[in-house]
Amino acid sequence: QQQVKQSPQSLIVQKGGISIINCAYENTAFDYFPWYQQFPGKGPALLIAIRPDVSEKKEGRFTISFNKSAKQFSLHIMDSQPGDSATYFCAASKSGGSNYKLTFGKGTLLTVNP
Amino acid sequence: DVKVTQSSRYLVKRTGEKVFLECVQDMDHENMFWYRQDPGLGLRLIYFSYDVKMKEKGDIPEGYSVSREKKERFSLILESASTNQTSMYLCASSLWVSGGEQFFGPGTRLTVL
Repeated sequence: QQQVKQSPQSLIVQKGGISIINCAYENTAFDYFPWYQQFPGKGPALLIAIRPDVSEKKEGRFTISFNKSAKQFSLHIMDSQPGDSATYFCAASKSGGSNYKLTFGKGTLLTVNP
Repeated sequence: DVKVTQSSRYLVKRTGEKVFLECVQDMDHENMFWYRQDPGLGLRLIYFSYDVKMKEKGDIPEGYSVSREKKERFSLILESASTNQTSMYLCASSLWVSGGEQFFGPGTRLTVL
């Protein structure tokens, strides 16, 4: 049972373009949605996160858009740079009980060409 | 800075061997996690621990066990390694808060021959 579906599996973007990665979830109890970035040879690191009380969160060139009714959220990378080339994972968790447990998407390999 | 360290970056073992993967965090985090990462499958949770000597199964616990005797250390044990356990193993830790950020180690690439 895959609770967080991520697409696309891979993405190639030209430098300066916009990268968009989408995630959909099934469990309406989820209330925390982080994105992790992983460079080759490194562990994932938190990039940006959102809670469902807002529809958008922006940090520099990275924006999360959240659609609660559609149970979808997406990561937008504006002015994509070759240094953004990495694997991106969306994730979700819920408060209460095992509230520290994240459910991850399968990941998107982003390549930004110079 | 939070630091999560894993005992080995690369490990090669033979089928049937008992394998220990060690993870240490230096930020006094209550929660610790073991994941495996495989191409196209993302990060899958094996076990996690929310306190010393406490553990809970994740999504794929079969063939694994864990030990947490001290707060800063969380060990993953493969009782009898098999070739289908060849993978990248990632350890993470977080504070005891809802939606707490997980901090990951660099990973151990385990090959079972």
